Order: sequence, then C-alpha cells, then structure tokens
Amino acid sequence: GAVVSQHPSWVICKSGTSVKIECRSLDFQATTMFWYRQFPKQSLMLMATSNEGSKATYEQGVEKDKFLINHASLTLSTLTVTSAHPEDSSFYICSASLVGGGPEAFFGQGTRLTVV
Amino acid sequence: RKEVEQDPGPFNVPEGATVAFNCTYSNSASQSFFWYRQDCRKEPKLLMSVYSSGNEDGRFTAQLNRASQYISLLIRDSKLSDSATYLCVVNNQAGTALIFGKGTTLSVSS
Repeated sequence: GAVVSQHPSWVICKSGTSVKIECRSLDFQATTMFWYRQFPKQSLMLMATSNEGSKATYEQGVEKDKFLINHASLTLSTLTVTSAHPEDSSFYICSASLVGGGPEAFFGQGTRLTVV
Repeated sequence: RKEVEQDPGPFNVPEGATVAFNCTYSNSASQSFFWYRQDCRKEPKLLMSVYSSGNEDGRFTAQLNRASQYISLLIRDSKLSDSATYLCVVNNQAGTALIFGKGTTLSVSS
C-alpha cells in the first residue's frame, strides 16, 4: 500500500507560537491531500482539502488564516497552526489517495499537538 | 442529521462472541463506503470496503443497504486483538474526501 509520513508525531508549544506539520507521500504522488482534526472521543473532522499548486479548500467553520495549508509539491503538504491556543490542542492527521487507485485513504501517523 | 452516525458503544464482549455494528449516512449520493479501524492514539487503518452485494473477509462481514442508507459490520469469533474503535466512513458529496463517523468502541475480554 501507499505510505504517508507525517511529522512531527507530537509537539508541545506555548500559546501564541506557530506549529508546522508536514505530510509526505513517500512512494506515490498526491495531487490532493486531506487534513483532519480529532478531539478526544470524537470523530475525525475534515478541516481542509489541500490541492497541489493551488489554494486549499477549507470546510465550513475552519479559519483559513489560522490553519495555513501549503501544497507546493506532489509529495508534500504542510499545515501551520498559527498563534496556537490551548483549544487548538488536538490530534491532527493527514491523508492522501492514489490517483486512479480508488477512494481508499492512506493516513499519516498523526500529530498530537498540545498547546500550553 | 449528522452525515455519518454510529452507536458509540462501548461494546464489551467476551472472546469468541459475535458483535455487530451499525451505521447510517445522510448523503444519498455517496458512492464509497468503508470500515476503518483506529487503535488508541493511532491513525485509522482500512479494515474493509463495503459493497452493495456485501462482502466478507475472514471473520468480518460488511453489508450495505443503499435504500436505507445503512451500513453494518459483523465480527465473528471476537479476538482480544479486535479491541479498537471501528469507524464507519463514506465519501463526501463531492466525492473527494472521506467523512468519518464518531466510531464504535469495542472491548474484547478473556
């Protein structure tokens, strides 16, 4: 199967700082990647769809100026949580699908963000 | 109505038991359906796709009823290693992303 690598696995940061999370497709090219957020005992919530070479599409209620997404290459998408606050503490996870390979999603390992 | 609804459980069963999970979805245009498994603090992993004709993979059987917009997962002969959260997943209206249910937690005990 396709491999998606996400980094870092966990991060602790102070309020007001920014955190960048990387999502890489290691053995395939991903024109589209997806960013999800999961709070404890909640479902994965789609935050945005990241499109290579163009602006990301954000889901309703997700602040695009706070969650900056960059998809500059076919193997890398980044999510930057700007001016992080404790309420941003969550499990962030990316996924990608194989072009022409069906709708199955391959997930990164996730990033556990704690803002103190 | 939520896009994907599941009974959160938890389901506590002994080894060897048969357990069934149900899921309903709201978007009648959805074309792709899956069950994913998520272990605590880990990423979700695909368990199986769900087809209209129903499909079976070892001890796992998935069923889809498009008319009722209902998906099920049956696990036979439960093992301790089956303990996890099972996520019902459908594609979104645009068909571009996956929408997850809240998950059903299964705990299998000896």
